Amino acid sequence: DAMVIQNPRYQVTQFGKPVTLSCSQTLNHNVMYWYQQKSSQAPKLLFHYYDKDFNNEADTPDNFQSRRPNTSFCFLDIRSPGLGDAAMYLCATSRDKGEVVSEQFFGPGTRLTVL
Amino acid sequence: AQKITQTQPGMFVQEKEAVTLDCTYDTSDQSYGLFWYKQPSSGEMIFLIYQGSYDEQNATEGRYSLNFQKARKSANLVISASQLGDSAMYFCAMREEFPWGGSNYKLTFGKGTLLTVNP
Repeated sequence: DAMVIQNPRYQVTQFGKPVTLSCSQTLNHNVMYWYQQKSSQAPKLLFHYYDKDFNNEADTPDNFQSRRPNTSFCFLDIRSPGLGDAAMYLCATSRDKGEVVSEQFFGPGTRLTVL
Repeated sequence: AQKITQTQPGMFVQEKEAVTLDCTYDTSDQSYGLFWYKQPSSGEMIFLIYQGSYDEQNATEGRYSLNFQKARKSANLVISASQLGDSAMYFCAMREEFPWGGSNYKLTFGKGTLLTVNP
């Protein structure tokens, strides 16, 4: 089945230790998104890629970076995780259909714990 | 700025009954779209239904229907014949276009409603 896969599902890191979260997709969608969802809150967009073009949200901290080496994979790098970065990180994809709006497909998320 | 309001932090419904989850929105855009997503405890966001602002009829998808009242800026989700598997967090979200246009967009989510279906 075509899908969005996130690894790992659970990640524990130490305060200040860099961590990378992975997202892959078999949908061949050209847009990939990273959302941060803190406990009992709504998901919030961090950034997205349209093909190779990276688009950062204005309020995304510099501590968060992303890479997209090819259509299928996208990575979220947190350079120096703080306690406030503990959250669920959701990867999503969508296809540019021109005038037609298509839904975003989400992965299962990676729950990040910072000790 | 766009805003989504879900006023019900939690809702309870008996199995096989219908339930309505409220969503109101605020936008100055003429063209917009509203989504409902379901998030079980496993964490994955599951797309349920979409309503475009110019769609003349209310959207329906199986047991899900969207009660879209444009003048009141509300887009309530109706789940008919609730099942135990419907227990989850439900998010209303609005499509917000990026400044450079195009058909891709970001989602602005409400705070969600936790639905519990009782047997």
